[in-house]
Amino acid sequence: AQTVTQSQPEMSVQEAETVTLSCTYDTSENNYYLFWYKQPPSRQMILVIRQEAYKQQNATENRFSVNFQKAAKSFSLKISDSQLGDTAMYFCASSNRDDKIIFGKGTRLHILP
Amino acid sequence: DTGVSQNPRHKITKRGQNVTFRCDPISEHNRLYWYRQTLGQGPEFLTYFQNEAQLEKSRLLSDRFSAERPKGSFSTLEIQRTEQGDSAMYLCASNRFYDQPQHFGDGTRLSIL
Repeated sequence: AQTVTQSQPEMSVQEAETVTLSCTYDTSENNYYLFWYKQPPSRQMILVIRQEAYKQQNATENRFSVNFQKAAKSFSLKISDSQLGDTAMYFCASSNRDDKIIFGKGTRLHILP
Repeated sequence: DTGVSQNPRHKITKRGQNVTFRCDPISEHNRLYWYRQTLGQGPEFLTYFQNEAQLEKSRLLSDRFSAERPKGSFSTLEIQRTEQGDSAMYLCASNRFYDQPQHFGDGTRLSIL
């Protein structure tokens, strides 16, 4: 069975700083996807970044990048130059080829002015 | 792309009543997913459809829950004889192919009195 674990329930950083959110996962599949989703307060779930497991290169989307360590089953998210609008719940998630997504419990991130 | 639409946004009902939620996926998206998110937790997979066929149901989906997707367009999720524990946000997502990112709706928040 797939599992996703986020060990940081809550984090706070100053605006413009860099922050890293941790995530570990477990799966028996060879081909799978990993995601980071952002859920602002009372707003919809938004895909931040997606990593395909067979690609060794770490995915990057503007200020967001991941550190994908396949052997360690680790998938952390780095947010550079953090902005007030980055304040949200962040969910790490994974899916196999059947496409249902398994989410972690989330990390609540506060960006402080 | 008008996004995934869910109605109603909020449903308040008394314990024991039946409720039905609707999800309209993005046009031409063949796959549609339902998730449940309780307060402070990540979303949990409930069920998904490819066109009109329901391909998988989670064990979370008790016999009081039923989902349909007639003609492969919109989907409905019905909960019969609601219980206190059914209070949650019900999220719908869709994608065109299994390896494409899922797009989420705003969700329907269910409150059981």
